[in-house]
Amino acid sequence: DAKTTQPTSMDCAEGRAANLPCNHSTISGNEYVYWYRQIHSQGPQYIIHGLKNNETNEMASLIITEDRKSSTLILPHATLRDTAVYYCIVPSGVVTGANSKLTFGKGITLSVRP
Amino acid sequence: DTGVSQDPRHKITKRGQNVTFRCDPISEHNRLYWYRQTLGQGPEFLTYFQNEAQLEKSRLLSDRFSAERPKGSFSTLEIQRTEQGDSAMYLCASSIRQGSSPLHFGNGTRLTVT
Repeated sequence: DAKTTQPTSMDCAEGRAANLPCNHSTISGNEYVYWYRQIHSQGPQYIIHGLKNNETNEMASLIITEDRKSSTLILPHATLRDTAVYYCIVPSGVVTGANSKLTFGKGITLSVRP
Repeated sequence: DTGVSQDPRHKITKRGQNVTFRCDPISEHNRLYWYRQTLGQGPEFLTYFQNEAQLEKSRLLSDRFSAERPKGSFSTLEIQRTEQGDSAMYLCASSIRQGSSPLHFGNGTRLTVT
């Protein structure tokens, strides 16, 4: 898997946008960027993924730079329930479908304050 | 879609005992993964199945560990002669072998070996 780098932690105020950065400078042309989050005592929850274009769903937006070496996950209106560890992952083998296992790092701990 | 189901949620056992965990994936998901997560760390890959075939095993999966998926549906993970170092959260995930389809995780089984 391509190596990703995330800050250890960040916080934001409830109701404000949370912008979570991720560097993946060694990403290959056909590798996707995935974001998961893990709330205490629960399993990781899939949020969003993308290849080149920006993506948006009901949970978040994913902005990928043109050179694809970094991305930002945006939670547009953070709530207290968004407090969690967020993982940015670039797995190898997704395009071929040969092996889409994920390698988790330590992620970034987002704390949403009231 | 009832999600990935894991049973039991918690297991306390004495060192040396055998334990077995069950995972029921999302229906029609042909891939099933097992991960282990210790406190403060991200999940670590253990093994995965495509249908009933076990296609990859991590070196973390010692010979005391065995996983099966006999009919390509639910899976079991057995740990024989448990050790205190086996204490962890055991997570199961499933996915469709199709393009960039993401993994979906259950809420895990918390194992405590005393």
